[in-house]
Amino acid sequence: SQQGEEDPQALSIQEGENATMNCSYKTSINNLQWYRQNSGRGLVHLILIRSNEREKHSGRLRVTLDTSKKSSSLLITASRAADTASYFCATDASNTGKLIFGQGTTLQVKP
Amino acid sequence: GAVVSQHPSWVICKSGTSVKIECRSLDFQATTMFWYRQFPKQSLMLMATSNEGSKATYEQGVEKDKFLINHASLTLSTLTVTSAHPEDSSFYICSARDSRRNTEAFFGQGTRLTVV
Repeated sequence: SQQGEEDPQALSIQEGENATMNCSYKTSINNLQWYRQNSGRGLVHLILIRSNEREKHSGRLRVTLDTSKKSSSLLITASRAADTASYFCATDASNTGKLIFGQGTTLQVKP
Repeated sequence: GAVVSQHPSWVICKSGTSVKIECRSLDFQATTMFWYRQFPKQSLMLMATSNEGSKATYEQGVEKDKFLINHASLTLSTLTVTSAHPEDSSFYICSARDSRRNTEAFFGQGTRLTVV
């Protein structure tokens, strides 16, 4: 079953612009993770944020978590054409590695 | 970093045959592994939790007799799609988490199954 929603479903921006994707979930969580998937390929783990954390950075990525609103956002700054991919949030309710994925956002970065 | 190897990366089989997909944790032990399925342009759906030495736990709507899961060792789980049909064509991907460390789960490369 899907945990929640991601929006937008699709996002098209110019290289150099920032991209923001949002994820909402329904149940309490232990942590939330963001993944990238290039077309037809496997998943690349981007960042993990725990329920007691509010913000995390990794390079050009910034993730926020608001457990009161059951939502998270992923910001990619200074986007590049190579960032073109689908991005998924996934929640782990029990810290077991069992993930429930959001519906994903397809990002297109135009050169 | 931790590596999960999935094999094969792609397979084409005839309708009615069975296909086995392997998921191995290469440098860590995993008492639990997870199997997901992804249809084109959709998200990943959790199919089942594979438990070492015991029966798998299947998500609602997933047929346990059709998707046989075996987790005989701490580093290997297998998913067998029995009597495959064209509607089983999908991308199957496994993940595993180091039982001794509090880290994220690591994903295999995925298996593209096409049933003709």
